[in-house]
Amino acid sequence: ETGVTQTPRHLVMGMTNKKSLKCEQHLGHNAMYWYKQSAKKPLELMFVYNFKEQTENNSVPSRFSPECPNSSHLFLHLHTLQPEDSALYLCASSSTTGPNSNQPQHFGDGTRLSIL
Amino acid sequence: KQEVTQIPAALSVPEGENLVLNCSFTDSAIYNLQWFRQDPGKGLTSLLLIQSSQREQTSGRLNASLDKSSGRSTLYIAASQPGDSATYLCAVYYGGSQGNLIFGKGTKLSVKP
Repeated sequence: ETGVTQTPRHLVMGMTNKKSLKCEQHLGHNAMYWYKQSAKKPLELMFVYNFKEQTENNSVPSRFSPECPNSSHLFLHLHTLQPEDSALYLCASSSTTGPNSNQPQHFGDGTRLSIL
Repeated sequence: KQEVTQIPAALSVPEGENLVLNCSFTDSAIYNLQWFRQDPGKGLTSLLLIQSSQREQTSGRLNASLDKSSGRSTLYIAASQPGDSATYLCAVYYGGSQGNLIFGKGTKLSVKP
């Protein structure tokens, strides 16, 4: 039990579908993150939310749309994805973020996304 | 460009061996460095976090060192066990409002019984 729960664990969708990934953290953290992990590439940060405000969009295409209704929940809305978007999407949380943050990030088990 | 490199990409050792995983980073102005473990089909588990002012951190059979000036960190695993088999990821944090970690590609470790 990591304290960060992601659903679904696996998702297969067509390029024209719309789906959402969900992340929930039970650690009382204020910062949440979306990462993309593709085969043979380092983890790539996608979005950062701190106290429900988006503080980073790492040049992510608009077909990925994040939503953070409160500090415990984070969503990633998907539409018209491409085959190269197939990857493991990981959610993480930490106490906070910022210039002097020294808190470790806690990760969920990820959603394995396959685009047909 | 800030990059993190991990060597080797894969490592296979017999049970009981002591081993060292290496991590290097191009920009030495880090705030901290974190070692993670990732099991197949799972997320990341944080193992050790070293602040930029620290030289090493220890947890059980794991010891991580940091040489900020040379841009290097090592993860030492003592008396390896089959349960240690996983991919080990190194990530550095450079601060800033975005809070993003820069990850290496990882070292896949296999410990044979």
